[in-house]
Amino acid sequence: QSALTQPASVSGSPGQSITISCTGTNSDIGGYNYVSWYLQHPGKAPKLLIYDVSSRPSGVSDRFSGSKSGKTASLTISSLQAEDEGHYHCTSYTSGDLLIVFGGGTKLTVL
Amino acid sequence: QVQLQESGPGLVQPSETLSLTCSVSGYSLTGHSYWGWIRQPPGKGLEWIGSIYQTNSIYYNPSLKGRLTLSGDKSKNQLSLTLTSVTAADTAVYYCARDLGLEGRFDPWGPGTLVTVSS
Repeated sequence: QSALTQPASVSGSPGQSITISCTGTNSDIGGYNYVSWYLQHPGKAPKLLIYDVSSRPSGVSDRFSGSKSGKTASLTISSLQAEDEGHYHCTSYTSGDLLIVFGGGTKLTVL
Repeated sequence: QVQLQESGPGLVQPSETLSLTCSVSGYSLTGHSYWGWIRQPPGKGLEWIGSIYQTNSIYYNPSLKGRLTLSGDKSKNQLSLTLTSVTAADTAVYYCARDLGLEGRFDPWGPGTLVTVSS
């Protein structure tokens, strides 16, 4: 089972919007609406930002939004802020024995 | 408020057994919740290790099956992970987290504990 595919890095300036993609297969992203996104700051545990493709947990800024088209899920961050810098990870439920697959992670740099 | 805290040896010899504990507070392991383990090798992405429900339904990453045992102690409200025959490839930060339904939704997470496999 291969990991989900994310770009290694993205960057943007404060106030801009950026989108991070996460590509899978019909056995994971394309087949189920169980995509989650996490933000991880250096030396810290990941924090849940988005679940079930586009739902936000209580307390997460509405600047973070999720969507899905076919086998690709996307995380959009609007009005970029310095505190958004970090690593973003996507994950999905997958059929078969593995159950849960992660992407390789994307480093966001706020210029 | 659910809180988790991992604990372990820090350094394990190659071919030996890695044992970790996750102490859970704010929620009873007898309740209706899954609990997951995730690891992250230095500089790399996250990998799901496995999840456990009420200490008796257990789901493993097939790549670790045969070496991995997950369990729970309701009396101590603790989760345990045991990984045998470790190699350098098992060097990682190990996290425990509340697993909200076996769908990749983990919240909250413990701070993680670094395990290095080296002689």
